[in-house]
Amino acid sequence: AQSVTQLGSHVSVSEGALVLLRCNYSSSVPPYLFWYVQYPNQGLQLLLKYTTGATLVKGINGFEAEFKKSETSFHLTKPSAHMSDAAEYFCAVITASGGSYIPTFGRGTSLIVHP
Amino acid sequence: DSGVTQTPKHLITATGQRVTLRCSPRSGDLSVYWYQQSLDQGLQFLIHYYNGEERAKGNILERFSAQQFPDLHSELNLSSLELGDSALYFCASSGPRRAGANVLTFGAGSRLTVL
Repeated sequence: AQSVTQLGSHVSVSEGALVLLRCNYSSSVPPYLFWYVQYPNQGLQLLLKYTTGATLVKGINGFEAEFKKSETSFHLTKPSAHMSDAAEYFCAVITASGGSYIPTFGRGTSLIVHP
Repeated sequence: DSGVTQTPKHLITATGQRVTLRCSPRSGDLSVYWYQQSLDQGLQFLIHYYNGEERAKGNILERFSAQQFPDLHSELNLSSLELGDSALYFCASSGPRRAGANVLTFGAGSRLTVL
């Protein structure tokens, strides 16, 4: 079964610094990979997704992620953090189950942005 | 507003009781997913319905049940509630096709507190 590991339950950066949130997956087939963001008291929203094609995927709010098959990774980056980026970030991989496609989520990484 | 509506937003009840959580998917979506989010377990997939039919089950307890109605809204029924059932319950929708690259649109969640 496919699974996702997010390294670091909390990541703290200063405003303007590089953001790097790590995600490694396990999958026996080419994966579909997603990053979602959850702001306080809200549901999850899609940041970006990788299906096929270009391995560098650009998302909303200046975030991007690179699919590296050799490293089974899909790390999320942003060159310069903003205070508004403070949120919980979830990496997800699609798991096929009896004709259904189920997103399996990592445990999440809380991004803390300091002034 | 994501287009996915969940009610109630907050619910406080006692152990042993039964509650029903309701979800209206985004217009045009045929799939409904239920997830449970808790601090110790993260986001756990419970169950998936597509166009009224159950398609996949995850870590859903026997005390829990769900259905999707002809108008595509879904209900999650939680019975014989225990303290450990306290969590945020999310509904998400996608579709209309069943595809691995489908993005989930999440509702704002129903926060259940069992006292």
